[in-house]
Amino acid sequence: DAKTTQPTSMDCAEGRAANLPCNHSTISGNEYVYWYRQIHSQGPQYIIHGLKNNETNEMASLIITEDRKSSTLILPHATLRDTAVYYCIATRYNQGGKLIFGQGTELSVKP
Amino acid sequence: DSGVTQTPKHLITATGQRVTLRCSPRSGDLSVYWYQQSLDQGLQFLIQYYNGEERAKGNILERFSAQQFPDLHSELNLSSLELGDSALYFCASSVGAIQGNSPLHFGNGTRLTVT
Repeated sequence: DAKTTQPTSMDCAEGRAANLPCNHSTISGNEYVYWYRQIHSQGPQYIIHGLKNNETNEMASLIITEDRKSSTLILPHATLRDTAVYYCIATRYNQGGKLIFGQGTELSVKP
Repeated sequence: DSGVTQTPKHLITATGQRVTLRCSPRSGDLSVYWYQQSLDQGLQFLIQYYNGEERAKGNILERFSAQQFPDLHSELNLSSLELGDSALYFCASSVGAIQGNSPLHFGNGTRLTVT
């Protein structure tokens, strides 16, 4: 799986959009980009994933650059409950469950 | 609520003992995954089962074993426990055998403390 690089921590004001970047410059054509988050000591929560196109669901939007070397997770209106560690993972289509969770980005949403 | 149920929530035991952690996947999911999260290691993939068969193996110690039963629930057995086995153990499930387009849904974990 391609290595991903994320900032260690970020702050965001409540009600504002949180934009979390992820670099995956060695991603291959059959690797998806997945985002999960983990709120303190709870199980990781799936947020969104994509291959080439931008994706949106009820939780977030995922913007993938045209060359697929980086992506941005957007939480449109961050709340205090969005404070968590966010993990960006690149994983092959035929890969089993060997998700490699890096250190992630610790997002703090402040009032 | 992810739909994945793990029991027990907390477990305290002594070194050298053996414990069993249990996981019930989401309805309809055939794959079960086990992950370990300790303070200094982050989330580590241990093992995956798909429809009763071992599918993928990660950094699982020989003292640890798992199985998936015909009703698709899974158990993770940890034996000869050491202090370093203290961690959060997460189970996850997914519909398919491969990650690809099939997200994992995680339970809330079992916190194991070895004293």
